[in-house]
Amino acid sequence: DIQMTQSPSSLSASVGDRVVITCRASQGITSSLAWYQLKPGKAPKLLLSGASRLESGVPSRFSGSGSWTDYTLTISSLQPEDFAIYYCQQYYTAPLTFGGGTKVEIK
Amino acid sequence: QVQLVQSGAEVKKPGASVKVSCEAFGYIFISYGISWVRQAPGQGLEWMGWISAYSGYTNYAHKFEDRVTLTIDTSTNTAYLELGRLRSDDTAIYYCARDLTGCGGDCYPDASSIWGQGTVVTVSS
Repeated sequence: DIQMTQSPSSLSASVGDRVVITCRASQGITSSLAWYQLKPGKAPKLLLSGASRLESGVPSRFSGSGSWTDYTLTISSLQPEDFAIYYCQQYYTAPLTFGGGTKVEIK
Repeated sequence: QVQLVQSGAEVKKPGASVKVSCEAFGYIFISYGISWVRQAPGQGLEWMGWISAYSGYTNYAHKFEDRVTLTIDTSTNTAYLELGRLRSDDTAIYYCARDLTGCGGDCYPDASSIWGQGTVVTVSS
């Protein structure tokens, strides 16, 4: 199975800060990577797929990049509604696997 | 409106089985696969398996392959997750989720763009 390692596991940031979350796959996944946002009491929300393709309705302050094994999610200017847990997921091959999550908290 | 509607909360005893349903609305059901994902209290997201709504072909996470069964009823546009031999650490929110991309036939597991509201399963003696 492909292991997905996310870092950091948590971070504290202020509104307006730039936030970067990284995700490393244990083998190449050719950009078959998705990022999700999870808030308490809500279902996960798909933010990006194909490593960098923003889903419809997702604010442009979210962006993704990377290739082969290493990927990043960037929030260019953190907003109050962005405080949540973020997960990466590889869908290159089954079984699909998630990273451990990154909790973004208010500083 | 494209949506997935899941069945209600369940309370089960250890050793029992649970069956969760996921009814699809607003799209061609057989064109997309369905994944099942769970989140235990204080834990991260865990992918359990995937089923093709076109053929019923399944793919399971190794951790669950001896306890989980995914099925499809195309007459009611409903997917089902059945988890057996329940343990206390199966207490979690269980989600169904539709593939991002349809393929009109047998597909491969994909990122999940549409999610059900979640079903809370509590396992307690």
